[in-house]
Amino acid sequence: DGGITQSPKYLFRKEGQNVTLSCEQNLNHDAMYWYRQDPGQGLRLIYYSQIVNDFQKGDIAEGYSVSREKKESFPLTVTSAQKNPTAFYLCASTWDRVSNQPQHFGDGTRLSIL
Amino acid sequence: AQTVTQSQPEMSVQEAETVTLSCTYDTSENNYYLFWYKQPPSRQMILVIRQEAYKQQNATENRFSVNFQKAAKSFSLKISDSQLGDTAMYFCAFITLSGSARQLTFGSGTQLTVLP
Repeated sequence: DGGITQSPKYLFRKEGQNVTLSCEQNLNHDAMYWYRQDPGQGLRLIYYSQIVNDFQKGDIAEGYSVSREKKESFPLTVTSAQKNPTAFYLCASTWDRVSNQPQHFGDGTRLSIL
Repeated sequence: AQTVTQSQPEMSVQEAETVTLSCTYDTSENNYYLFWYKQPPSRQMILVIRQEAYKQQNATENRFSVNFQKAAKSFSLKISDSQLGDTAMYFCAFITLSGSARQLTFGSGTQLTVLP
């Protein structure tokens, strides 16, 4: 079945360490997104990519970086510059070129500080 | 700035009853889409229903329907015949179609509990 796979499910980061969250989709979607979710809040957009080798910053991009070398993959790196990385991270993708609204979400990665 | 407000942090409803979740939004744009997402305890985000702003007819999906009041910028979700599996966090969201940077703006969510 087609879908979005995020890994790992749980991730721990030490001080000063960069960590990378994986997001892979086999839906042949052009657009992919990374969201951050904090307790009691909705999702906030970190980065998005509408085509391969292109991506744009969302509302809270500081301390994060992405790459889009393949259509299927959109990894997110949480750098040491992100001082409060503890959150739930969701990856999404869409085929809808009109609204660009994410149609599919992964199961998420929970990142915690050690 | 575009904002989405969900004024009910928590709600509960008896199984088989009807419940309405409220949502208001603010935008200066005229062309946009509105959505309700469901996030059960598994944390996966599931699209429940969507509404195009240019359509006057309210969207329906089985037991889920919306009351879209464009002038009032209101977009409530009605769940009929509530089931235990409807227990989840519900998020209202919208996206405008102007410009190239189309971003979903989410509300803070309403935790709905369906009681047996």
